[in-house]
Amino acid sequence: DQQVKQNSPSLSVQEGRISILNCDYTNSMFDYFLWYKKYPAEGPTFLISISSIKDKNEDGRFTVFLNKSAKHLSLHIVPSQPGDSAVYFCAAGGSQGNLIFGKGTKLSVKP
Amino acid sequence: EAGVAQSPRYKIIEKRQSVAFWCNPISGHATLYWYQQILGQGPKLLIQFQNNGVVDDSQLPKDRFSAERLKGVDSTLKIQPAKLEDSAVYLCASSLHQGYTEAFFGQGTRLTVV
Repeated sequence: DQQVKQNSPSLSVQEGRISILNCDYTNSMFDYFLWYKKYPAEGPTFLISISSIKDKNEDGRFTVFLNKSAKHLSLHIVPSQPGDSAVYFCAAGGSQGNLIFGKGTKLSVKP
Repeated sequence: EAGVAQSPRYKIIEKRQSVAFWCNPISGHATLYWYQQILGQGPKLLIQFQNNGVVDDSQLPKDRFSAERLKGVDSTLKIQPAKLEDSAVYLCASSLHQGYTEAFFGQGTRLTVV
């Protein structure tokens, strides 16, 4: 049973527009959430995180929104750039530190 | 700051053979993780160390997989004997402490079992 779900395997967006990647979780014990970006043949790279005491966290072009009641988080990238093309993983965790990952969403940003 | 180092990058072995992967975490990071990523899936935690003690190995197939972290720094992950379904990328990650912090990943070792 998947505890972290990314229901869209892929997403295609025009350069300059907004990319919205979604993630749902089932375990209410999760209280720390992260997004990672992964290029082919490389390990995942940390992008942005949010703790459950917040509902929004921003870092430059990247914003993560958390809706605890819906057990849903999303990553917004504005404006999208071709270099953002990668696989994005949502991960959830808590005090113990081990992260549970979703299956990933492949983002393609077209010039 | 040097990142997480892993070796080898690629390994091809026959089923029933043994293989070992090595990881050197970021200096000063107390927590070390080994993840398995099968094609099309997200990374799955195999084992988590805090310094040289095991925090979580609940998803490690202990009949064939073993891991150790000597002196709380480097770590090795071993598979013996390997099965076809062990073909995956094995990722090592480290974090400054346990919980509520990001983990930094190495480039991974791609294992192919034939």
